[in-house]
Amino acid sequence: DTEVTQTPKHLVMGMTNKKSLKCEQHMGHRAMYWYKQKAKKPPELMFVYSYEKLSINESVPSRFSPECPNSSLLNLHLHALQPEDSALYLCASSQDQFRADRDGYTFGSGTRLTVV
Amino acid sequence: GQQVMQIPQYQHVQEGEDFTTYCNSSTTLSNIQWYKQRPGGHPVFLIQLVKSGEVKKQKRLTFQFGEAKKNSSLHITATQTTDVGTYFCAGPPGYALNFGKGTSLLVTP
Repeated sequence: DTEVTQTPKHLVMGMTNKKSLKCEQHMGHRAMYWYKQKAKKPPELMFVYSYEKLSINESVPSRFSPECPNSSLLNLHLHALQPEDSALYLCASSQDQFRADRDGYTFGSGTRLTVV
Repeated sequence: GQQVMQIPQYQHVQEGEDFTTYCNSSTTLSNIQWYKQRPGGHPVFLIQLVKSGEVKKQKRLTFQFGEAKKNSSLHITATQTTDVGTYFCAGPPGYALNFGKGTSLLVTP
């Protein structure tokens, strides 16, 4: 299995809702990432998990809460989001956070989030 | 984090013409990766360059890493409509990929 699976593909939520984005990989990758991508912009790093531990938090607001239940799963819990948080949320994985990997990052197809 | 600058932002070519996008960093990169994102899609890994002066080819795509490891380029020969998308270079700042702004390629038949 050489895929990263993200669910749901689309999500519309109100500003008072709580929702979760899910990401799963079965490639044995030890690093997993959350990126946020606005239209016509590059992906922006949000969080990095390495060996199931939070390695990097790029000063992301607390209304975004990541979780790594095990080496294959990565969640992003959403609460009290703002309309400007509407974006494509991409999950990615790689063999190792620090080692140059000839296979690069494998991205999921993303969750397109709309906050109303 | 370390920034990689990418030019041009947009490129519109006729099918069959060549295309090049450039990526520059103010500091030495240990390696650089290239990704392609189709409209409505997600980034897909194309290649990684590690060695100074490295040149790699994938069919009509040629990737180069500068001698000083501060710049890189992607050249597409004889573009096809299937080449449409945004091409990103991405450099490691030490802990995770930082993407350049990307070059959006539009190919007119």
